[in-house]
Formats: sequence, C-alpha cells, structure tokens
Amino acid sequence: AQSVTQLDSQVPVFEEAPVELRCNYSSSVSVYLFWYVQYPNQGLQLLLKYLSGSTLVKSINGFEAEFNKSQTSFHLRKPSVHISDTAEYFCAVTKGFQKLVFGTGTRLLVSP
Amino acid sequence: EAQVTQNPRYLITVTGKKLTVTCSQNMNHEYMSWYRQDPGLGLRQIYYSMNVEATDKGDVPEGYKVSRKEKRNFPLILESPSPNQTSLYFCASSLGLAGGQADTQYFGPGTRLTVL
Repeated sequence: AQSVTQLDSQVPVFEEAPVELRCNYSSSVSVYLFWYVQYPNQGLQLLLKYLSGSTLVKSINGFEAEFNKSQTSFHLRKPSVHISDTAEYFCAVTKGFQKLVFGTGTRLLVSP
Repeated sequence: EAQVTQNPRYLITVTGKKLTVTCSQNMNHEYMSWYRQDPGLGLRQIYYSMNVEATDKGDVPEGYKVSRKEKRNFPLILESPSPNQTSLYFCASSLGLAGGQADTQYFGPGTRLTVL
C-alpha cells in the first residue's frame, strides 16, 4: 500500500536562506507524486507534480522537487525563501485513480 | 473565476444535531471528493464521486453521508455528529477520467467544524 512520510513537522528558516522539505514514499508500483501548499486559512493548492520524464520538476515560484526512485524520495527545495513562503506543505502520492494519499504536512516558518 | 466553494466556513454545533456542509464547483468537473484534516494526520479522504449518482467510500467514511444529484454539487451530511468529527473539512474537484490518473485536484477554502 502506498504511504507518505514527511519527517519534519516544522521547519524554521530565515528569509533568503535555502530550505529542503523532506518526503519519502512507499509503493510497490509506479507512482505519481505531488506537493501541495496550504497558506494560512486557505485550501490546498498544487505546487508541482511528477508524472514521468525528467526527474526534476519546478514550480513557477522557485520551488523544485526531484524524484529519486532508488531512495523513494521526492524532496522539495528552494534556494532562497521569502516571508510569503510561510505555509504548510503536503507531499502526496496517488493510490488508484485520482485518489491522493497525503503526508502529515510540514509547516515552513520563514522569519526576517 | 474557477473555484470550489464551501458553506459554511465555520460551524459550531452540538452532538446529534444533523448538519450539511455544501460544496459546489463551477469547472464542470466530474470528480469530487471530501477530506478531513486533523493535526498530525494530514488529510484523509472521506468519500468521493466519479460522476453524478456515483459515490464511494474513502478511508474514513464512518459517520458521514454524501450525495451527487448534480454535477456541480457534492454535499457532506453528518446525520448525528459526534465530538470526534470536530475537524477541518475540504472539498476538492478535478476533471476525472478526462484528466487522467494524476489530474490536479482543486480544493475549496475549508469548513471548520466543532461538535460540542
């Protein structure tokens, strides 16, 4: 069965510093992987997703994630964070058609 | 504007008093789903619907009902709410079959429910 582990519940970081949010998944079959972001008091929005092809996927706001099949990981990175990146980030994997299995979330706290 | 709307956004009720949380989308999406979000547990799927009159259980369906009589609406019904259903609820939609297995899901703003 597919499952997702986000090891860090909270990641504090200073503005303009780099950040990595970790995600590991377990699956016996090929998967599609997602990162969703939840800004305070809002619903989730898709940040980026991996379906196939290039293992490095990028979002429009500077985040990127790399699919690593051998390590079953899909870590999210950004070289320089902004205050506005403060949010909760969820890694997810598909389980069957359209069904998403989410990790427990990582709260990114960016301070000045 | 393409969106998923939920009402109410906040609700405080008492044990056993039936309630309905509405969800509506204006994107002509076939697939709709309900999730609950709890601290330390992430989001868990309650029910989903592949299309009108086609609903199925997710991972945590106990205590909930849904219906899909129209394509745009997917209400969540709690017939006898209990305190363990206190949670943050999200509705989501996507294209469905036309979008493929990994289609993007669009989420509503959430409904915070407290059952006393």
